[in-house]
Amino acid sequence: QSALTQPASVSGSPGQSITISCTGTSSDVGGYNYVSWYQQHPGKAPKLMIYEVSNRPSGVSNRFSGSKSGNTASLTISGLQAEDEADYYCSSYTSSSTLDWVFGGGTKLTVL
Amino acid sequence: QVQLQESGPGLVKPSQTLSLTCTVSGGSISSGSYYWSWIRQPAGKGLEWIGRIYTSGSTNYNPSLKSRVTISVDTSKNQFSLKLSSVTAADTAVYYCARDQVVAGFDYWGQGTLVTVSS
Repeated sequence: QSALTQPASVSGSPGQSITISCTGTSSDVGGYNYVSWYQQHPGKAPKLMIYEVSNRPSGVSNRFSGSKSGNTASLTISGLQAEDEADYYCSSYTSSSTLDWVFGGGTKLTVL
Repeated sequence: QVQLQESGPGLVKPSQTLSLTCTVSGGSISSGSYYWSWIRQPAGKGLEWIGRIYTSGSTNYNPSLKSRVTISVDTSKNQFSLKLSSVTAADTAVYYCARDQVVAGFDYWGQGTLVTVSS
């Protein structure tokens, strides 16, 4: 089972906006509106930031938004802040074999 | 507030079985329509979904690990468990347990526990 494809790294300056892409196939990202995004700081457990493509859990800043087009999902962070520096992972429900969830390889966000 | 806590040996010998338990507090493991998942992360690498269980006992596993994985649940103890057999160094990772919202992602995670496979 191949992981979803994310850029290894992205960077931006405080106040700017950045977008992280997550590319899959019609069996996962393109086939379902069940894409999630996670933020992970070093040594910490991942935190759910977006679910079902574009929904934010309670307590997550509205600077975080999600979208999807075809087989590619995207996470946009606006008004970058120093605390946003972290690793970000996408995940999608999948109908490939009996696998239920597949993750992306992760993207390191650096706030310059 | 739901909390999850992994427990188990931090060191396992090659070819043996890795066993971890996740204790859920702040709510019943049987309440709501949730699955309970195990996810792992080798040092410096990405996340890998291992498998999940519903409180009925129904399970789904990552095909790449299916032959070696067993996930079980003990609702009386509010716990679910992971067994991974015939481990090798490649199974060295931080193992997380998480509440699985079926299709809406993993909303609660344990802090993670490092398991090292070494003789």
